[in-house]
Amino acid sequence: KAGVTQTPRYLIKTRGQQVTLSCSPISGHRSVSWYQQTPGQGLQFLFEYFSETQRNKGNFPGRFSGRQFSNSRSEMNVSTLELGDSALYLCASRPTTATTGELFFGEGSRLTVL
Amino acid sequence: AQSVTQPDIHITVSEGASLELRCNYSYGATPYLFWYVQSPGQGLQLLLKYFSGDTLVQGIKGFEAEFKRSQSSFNLRKPSVHWSDAAEYFCAVGTNSGGGADGLTFGKGTHLIIQP
Repeated sequence: KAGVTQTPRYLIKTRGQQVTLSCSPISGHRSVSWYQQTPGQGLQFLFEYFSETQRNKGNFPGRFSGRQFSNSRSEMNVSTLELGDSALYLCASRPTTATTGELFFGEGSRLTVL
Repeated sequence: AQSVTQPDIHITVSEGASLELRCNYSYGATPYLFWYVQSPGQGLQLLLKYFSGDTLVQGIKGFEAEFKRSQSSFNLRKPSVHWSDAAEYFCAVGTNSGGGADGLTFGKGTHLIIQP
């Protein structure tokens, strides 16, 4: 069974631009979560989608948004990029939203903002 | 709100020696606790988890962890480390409040270095 796939793996943007990251979950998994990982703040929860609906959201500004499609694939978008948005963005999937379910992580999309 | 503290940023252990990584959490109710491992350039992989029942849980790769409610701790242990265990280890706490799932709260991680 294929794992969680994230694209692109690496990208460089400049301040003020916007970026869209994509995540394909494991087949059969309907929940997709996004996390931001930085050296200073560590891993921080962005949001979780299930059945095309956002179920929970972390403490991030409105510039960070996401969506989920009917095939469970998810995208996250960051608008008006700031230097501090440079991070590894990790996507994780699981069959349902139950916290007891194991999160399966992708390898991440590394965003550099110049 | 819940929080997780991993007091050790870096730990160096000789190959073959035992290992204990510390994790303390803060949460008002019984937490769901996890240990994840991240190798360089990789995503996170679940090592083990605790929800209820036996406070000593076994995981993959020979790891185990013990939940101690009185100490609000969930320390990770391995009796004999291998060079391939060098990685970043994250402790996390989860809840399931309000009828919906919440995101996991992760500690800052412990970087494990294995000396030959």
